[in-house]
Amino acid sequence: NAGVTQTPKFRILKIGQSMTLQCTQDMNHNYMYWYRQDPGMGLKLIYYSVGAGITDKGEVPNGYNVSRSTTEDFPLRLELAAPSQTSVYFCASSYSVGEHGELFFGEGSRLTVL
Amino acid sequence: KNQVEQSPQSLIILEGKNCTLQCNYTVSPFSNLRWYKQDTGRGPVSLTIMTFSENTKSNGRYTATLDADTKQSSLHITASQLSDSASYICVATGGSQGNLIFGKGTKLSVKP
Repeated sequence: NAGVTQTPKFRILKIGQSMTLQCTQDMNHNYMYWYRQDPGMGLKLIYYSVGAGITDKGEVPNGYNVSRSTTEDFPLRLELAAPSQTSVYFCASSYSVGEHGELFFGEGSRLTVL
Repeated sequence: KNQVEQSPQSLIILEGKNCTLQCNYTVSPFSNLRWYKQDTGRGPVSLTIMTFSENTKSNGRYTATLDADTKQSSLHITASQLSDSASYICVATGGSQGNLIFGKGTKLSVKP
């Protein structure tokens, strides 16, 4: 199993550009998440999904959109990139929530907006 | 407010020594407490998950403890190795929606 795969690993955007961060998992997990990690800060939840066709906002959703058309894929869309979106983005998946819901993270996508 | 505080912010120890990292949380209702290891430039990897009824859980040289009464957890690393150099993140799960509240992490450096 490859686990959780994110692409791209690095990207530089200009202010106002748009892009999509890709995330795919091969563990047949229902739950998927997008987090951002800023220097010296804890991970913040952007969006999450409890299954194909179902998504919901997390703590910091503004400026982002997601879709979940399949169990495997959970892309994160950035519209009109802003310098405040410079961060490292992590996609994660889990089989369930609660004490059995171990999170599996991707390797991260480092995004810089100039 | 649900939050997780970790200490120290950073720590340097010599290879072979033991160390203990601390985590205090205020999450209600509380479900479980997790510790993750994050190598530089990599995603976090789960070390332990403990429910409120568990006091201790081990994963090799890593031993986590949980005191649900005082809302404190610790991660003890025994006989440290250079590969233990990483950030260690404490995560409390709970709240009205079962949210994961992440601490800022403790950056551990193990020197030869």
